[in-house]
Amino acid sequence: GQQVMQIPQYQHVQEGEDFTTYCNSSTTLSNIQWYKQRPGGHPVFLIQLVKSGEVKKQKRLTFQFGEAKKNSSLHITATQTTDVGTYFCAREYGNKLVFGAGTILRVKS
Amino acid sequence: NAGVTQTPKFRILKIGQSMTLQCTQDMNHNYMYWYRQDPGMGLKLIYYSVGAGITDKGEVPNGYNVSRSTTEDFPLRLELAAPSQTSVYFCASEGGTVEAFFGQGTRLTVV
Repeated sequence: GQQVMQIPQYQHVQEGEDFTTYCNSSTTLSNIQWYKQRPGGHPVFLIQLVKSGEVKKQKRLTFQFGEAKKNSSLHITATQTTDVGTYFCAREYGNKLVFGAGTILRVKS
Repeated sequence: NAGVTQTPKFRILKIGQSMTLQCTQDMNHNYMYWYRQDPGMGLKLIYYSVGAGITDKGEVPNGYNVSRSTTEDFPLRLELAAPSQTSVYFCASEGGTVEAFFGQGTRLTVV
């Protein structure tokens, strides 16, 4: 019940291609957070979504929260080599912050 | 502001040894977390705390202990190190609003 599932586990794209990672929960989420971890680095907060159907953009990144608040997605338009890393979604479960397994993105230049 | 500071950055332990991973934050956050991250894997919650004097188990607490005597510090103790505890350990804090701030991590190898 508390876990969030992320797919795909790994994606390798050509620079300039788009990329999407999905986060799914079997239960309704109060909110969903997204983090990015560069290789060898630590997770860094990107955004939080709270409202049903919410869409937020950060430059080439588009974040969506499903209407039922059970899924979310992160879409990157025209990937760049600077986008490489692991993207995690995370949910609050009681007082815990629980992370998905992450999607590893590699970009070929 | 230093944010979340973890020490040491790297450590090699022998099987059966003990050590404490230090974590301190200067943002007056109530919530603090310890995660471990195995190579190519996600973050698994070991222990968490909602304030000084209060701690609770996460997903993978076995082999670890924590304490929270002050708001700033949240040390993680390994009593009898085992090879399965080879991992990268991250401490994080959150002010109860939105984002969690992570330390730089401690890379631990048990041989």
